[in-house]
Amino acid sequence: DIQMTQSPSSLSASVGDRVTITCRASQDIRNDLGWYQQKPGKAPKRLIYAASNLQSGVPSRFSGSGSGTEFTLTISSLQPEDFATYYCLQHNSYPLTFGGGTKVEIK
Amino acid sequence: DVQLVESGGGLVQPGGSLRLSCAASGFTFSNYWMSWVRQAPGKGPEWVASIKHDGRETYYVDSLKGRFTISRDNAKNSLYLQMNSLRDEDTAVYYCARATYGTDPWGQGTLVTVSS
Repeated sequence: DIQMTQSPSSLSASVGDRVTITCRASQDIRNDLGWYQQKPGKAPKRLIYAASNLQSGVPSRFSGSGSGTEFTLTISSLQPEDFATYYCLQHNSYPLTFGGGTKVEIK
Repeated sequence: DVQLVESGGGLVQPGGSLRLSCAASGFTFSNYWMSWVRQAPGKGPEWVASIKHDGRETYYVDSLKGRFTISRDNAKNSLYLQMNSLRDEDTAVYYCARATYGTDPWGQGTLVTVSS
């Protein structure tokens, strides 16, 4: 199984800050990775697909990069509505596996 | 708009069974792989199973093989998850999701609580 190691597990940031979240895969997954945002009581919502493609309707302050084993989600200027938990998901091979999550909290 | 609506969750005793359904609309259901994902309280999501558009291929997380069965009825635009021999640790919100570059979108989820 492919293990996805996500870091940090939590972070505190202020509105306007640049935030970076990383996922490392235990083996090469090409660009078969998505990033998801989840708010309390809601289903996860995908922000990025194929590692670097912005989902339709998602603000351009979100971006994704990476391929192979190292991936990054960047929020260029954190907004109040971005305080949430973020997950990566690899779909290169079964079983699909999620990262452990990053909770972004208000500083 | 793509819509996925899960149903069938509820309270069940350990050892019991439950069948979840997911009604799909807004896209050609028979063209897409579909998945179930679950999320235990306070935990991250866990992929459960996926099924090919024609139902002829299925994949499961190893820990659930033999207890859970994913199926679909393309004529009814519906996805199912049959859950048997339920355990306390199966308590979670269960989401169905279209399998497009992973999973997207997801339904709103249905809560399954396994407790005596």
